Amino acid sequence: DTEVTQTPKHLVMGMTNKKSLKCEQHMGHRAMYWYKQKAKKPPELMFVYSYEKLSINESVPSRFSPECPNSSLLNLHLHALQPEDSALYLCASSQRLAGGPTDTQYFGPGTRLTVL
Amino acid sequence: TQLLEQSPQFLSIQEGENLTVYCNSSSVFSSLQWYRQEPGEGPVLLVTVVTGGEVKKLKRLTFQFGDARKDSSLHITAAQPGDTGLYLCAGENSGSRLTFGEGTQLTVNP
Repeated sequence: DTEVTQTPKHLVMGMTNKKSLKCEQHMGHRAMYWYKQKAKKPPELMFVYSYEKLSINESVPSRFSPECPNSSLLNLHLHALQPEDSALYLCASSQRLAGGPTDTQYFGPGTRLTVL
Repeated sequence: TQLLEQSPQFLSIQEGENLTVYCNSSSVFSSLQWYRQEPGEGPVLLVTVVTGGEVKKLKRLTFQFGDARKDSSLHITAAQPGDTGLYLCAGENSGSRLTFGEGTQLTVNP
């Protein structure tokens, strides 16, 4: 099973709203990722959690706040977003074996976010 | 900064034709993944290639990793409308970052 699930599938929010995106995997993967993707462009890395600790923050604005409650769950809290933040938000996970030659990432179906 | 140049960016062909997509870099990668993505959905992993010179086949898709692990190609034989989608190559090195190509938007017309 290589499934990563994300909820909600679609989200429309105003610039003053607070919402959260959720991601879950039950593959025993120890690394989880948030990406932002604009139409017809490749995904852009936002955050990486490795063994439940934030290991990479790609200079993402503070209106995006990640959280990793446990090794299976990853949240992205949203507050005071701008219309230009509208995009497909993708979660991914990978095994993250220490010293392993590869670390293939498996993506979820994404959340289509629209900020009005 | 590692770059992965993917070509062509757009490809529109008729059903039954063959095609090849290329990803090239001046950097060495420990592995390279190919993904296929449909509109509004997440990228779906097609294959991971690890060894220089490796060739993997997935039905009508053939993936090759260059000997120096700097480039890769995806060849589709007898394309079908169901192959339509955005094809992404992504090179992986230590440190969790994937270097993505810009993608190839493939349209197969019936």
